Amino acid sequence: GAVVSQHPSWVICKSGTSVKIECRSLDFQATTMFWYRQFPKQSLMLMATSNEGSKATYEQGVEKDKFLINHASLTLSTLTVTSAHPEDSSFYICSASPGGYNEQFFGPGTRLTVL
Amino acid sequence: GESVGLHLPTLSVQEGDNSIINCAYSNSASDYFIWYKQESGKGPQFIIDIRSNMDKRQGQRVTVLLNKTVKHLSLQIAATQPGDSAVYFCAEKEGTSYGKLTFGQGTILTVHP
Repeated sequence: GAVVSQHPSWVICKSGTSVKIECRSLDFQATTMFWYRQFPKQSLMLMATSNEGSKATYEQGVEKDKFLINHASLTLSTLTVTSAHPEDSSFYICSASPGGYNEQFFGPGTRLTVL
Repeated sequence: GESVGLHLPTLSVQEGDNSIINCAYSNSASDYFIWYKQESGKGPQFIIDIRSNMDKRQGQRVTVLLNKTVKHLSLQIAATQPGDSAVYFCAEKEGTSYGKLTFGQGTILTVHP
């Protein structure tokens, strides 16, 4: 149980295009989903927290107009990187939580490469 | 939590040895701590957690120790195996921050056969 999937697992796009990444909780309802970014040989940095049906809360320094987050259902959250640039190339990881103080369950990550 | 650095600390051990991975945290308001294992190209995998009202917790081959006085967390892996090779992260959660985790720097563990 407690499986989180991400799609796609990797994506290569041209500079200036937008890319959508999906995060799904497969066997539980996720009240809250989190989006992280991880650069090579670095730690995970929280980008934003999204609660189902409400606007995401972005961490300081993360542009909400560039990283659009939608959490329209209890099993799906999407992250759209708009007008992607090479510096947006990174490993994007989502996690999902059923709520309360339960642990977060992490997805397998999406490798984004912007050419 | 720890600040993010450009170079992760490394730990190399022989198969069968015990490994100790350390983590310092800075937020005295943190009341929940988790250790994660991350293999290359994958998401973090939960290993063990501990709440601030405890100082030790044991799992299968792993033990987490928490020293709140010096804000230090450690992960001990007994009889380390090549499959344990990965990056290990500690993460902390502040009691008042709903679900939000702050990750530490991470340590690269390499187990030699």
